[in-house]
Amino acid sequence: DGGITQSPKYLFRKEGQNVTLSCEQNLNHDAMYWYRQDPGQGLRLIYYSQIVNDFQKGDIAEGYSVSREKKESFPLTVTSAQKNPTAFYLCASSIRTSGGEQYFGPGTRLTVT
Amino acid sequence: AQKITQTQPGMFVQEKEAVTLDCTYDTSDPSYGLFWYKQPSSGEMIFLIYQGSYDQQNATEGRYSLNFQKARKSANLVISASQLGDSAMYFCAMIKAAGNKLTFGGGTRVLVKP
Repeated sequence: DGGITQSPKYLFRKEGQNVTLSCEQNLNHDAMYWYRQDPGQGLRLIYYSQIVNDFQKGDIAEGYSVSREKKESFPLTVTSAQKNPTAFYLCASSIRTSGGEQYFGPGTRLTVT
Repeated sequence: AQKITQTQPGMFVQEKEAVTLDCTYDTSDPSYGLFWYKQPSSGEMIFLIYQGSYDQQNATEGRYSLNFQKARKSANLVISASQLGDSAMYFCAMIKAAGNKLTFGGGTRVLVKP
C-alpha cells in the first residue's frame, strides 16, 4: 500500500533535548512538507522540500531543522532552541512541486516536559 | 497574504441529513486552489475535495460537494446524508497555484447525532 508513515505516534522528551521525527513516503512524490498543529488550531508550515537535497523554510522554521537526502524521507529535528515544542506534527507529500493537493501522514504527537 | 476564515467553531447534525460548512477566503492571487480536509480524533488529515479557481464546475466527490462562489470568495463544503463516521474536525485550506504552502482555516468541529 502506498502512503506516508510517521513514527512514533507519541513521543516524550525532556526539555533541552533535540528530537528527530521521521517521515517516509512510498508514493514517489517529489515534494514533502512538515506542519505543526497546536490544540484547536489549523496547521502551520515549518519546512518544505521540492527535491532531494533542497528545502525551504516555511512560516515557523525557527528551532527546527530538516534534511532531504532521499526522495522518500524527510526527517524533522526539533531542537532545544524551539521555545514551545509540544505540539502535533504532520508530514505531507504532493506529486506536484507547487499548487497541488497534499496528502498527510498520521502525525506524531510530541510532548516536551 | 492569504487568509481562510471558518466562522463555525462547531455544529451538530442529525444522521442522514445534509450539512454545510462555511469557508471564506482572501487572496490577491488570480490562480489558486481550495481544499477541504477531514481530521478525525486519530489526528490524520484526510483530503476530501479540491476546487481550482478557474474550474467552471463545482467539485464533487461522493457525498462531498464544494459550493464555490468566486465573486463572494467562498468555498463551502456540503456533506450529504451525514453518517456517524463524519464526526470530525473539518479544515478549509488554500494554496497559490505556484505555491507550496497550504493556508488553513481554524476548523469546524462536526458532531453527527444518531
